[in-house]
Amino acid sequence: GENVEQHPSTLSVQEGDSAVIKCTYSDSASNYFPWYKQELGKGPQLIIDIRSNVGEKKDQRIAVTLNKTAKHFSLHITETQPEDSAVYFCAASILGPGNEKLTFGTGTRLTIIP
Amino acid sequence: GAGVSQSPRYKVAKRGQDVALRCDPISGHVSLFWYQQALGQGPEFLTYFQNEAQLDKSGLPSDRFFAERPEGSVSTLKIQRTQQEDSAVYLCASSLGVTGEQYFGPGTRLTVT
Repeated sequence: GENVEQHPSTLSVQEGDSAVIKCTYSDSASNYFPWYKQELGKGPQLIIDIRSNVGEKKDQRIAVTLNKTAKHFSLHITETQPEDSAVYFCAASILGPGNEKLTFGTGTRLTIIP
Repeated sequence: GAGVSQSPRYKVAKRGQDVALRCDPISGHVSLFWYQQALGQGPEFLTYFQNEAQLDKSGLPSDRFFAERPEGSVSTLKIQRTQQEDSAVYLCASSLGVTGEQYFGPGTRLTVT
């Protein structure tokens, strides 16, 4: 089955700087790659996603890139703010009729230093 | 609008007890998912419904785990004869269908003593 690896496990960034989190996946059939933000005591919140027919997607300070050949995708957060501090998870899925399950990475704890 | 809700938020069970965890998905969402999240780990898939049909239960760790969604809306995850290794946060998510976008509830933290 699909295996998703995520690095780094922890990341500390000065406020205003950029943060990058990287993930690799094993199954070349994967076609959907969401990123979730999880704050303490809450469920994961979808922040951005990308599909395999797109190489890059941006939403304000957040961007995601996908390299299908290398089977890796990355989350980029620019101009970081204290409220960006949280645990971030990448995930991968082979979306299709009868299959929507997500396989998650192990998470990155991001700390923004004021 | 209202998001995914789960109840109870916290559950303490003695080893060997049965528990039932409830999920109310976003209104109109066809697909419903259950995930298990151990401390410090990412969510792991348990099972998935499309309307009332359970399409995939490959992630259920043992036959002590059972899920149902009889009317295609609310879902219940039942764990029989709980064990200490069942202690985790159980997350429910829902989606419109094969769009991929899953929206999660706050989870139920189960502690088995």
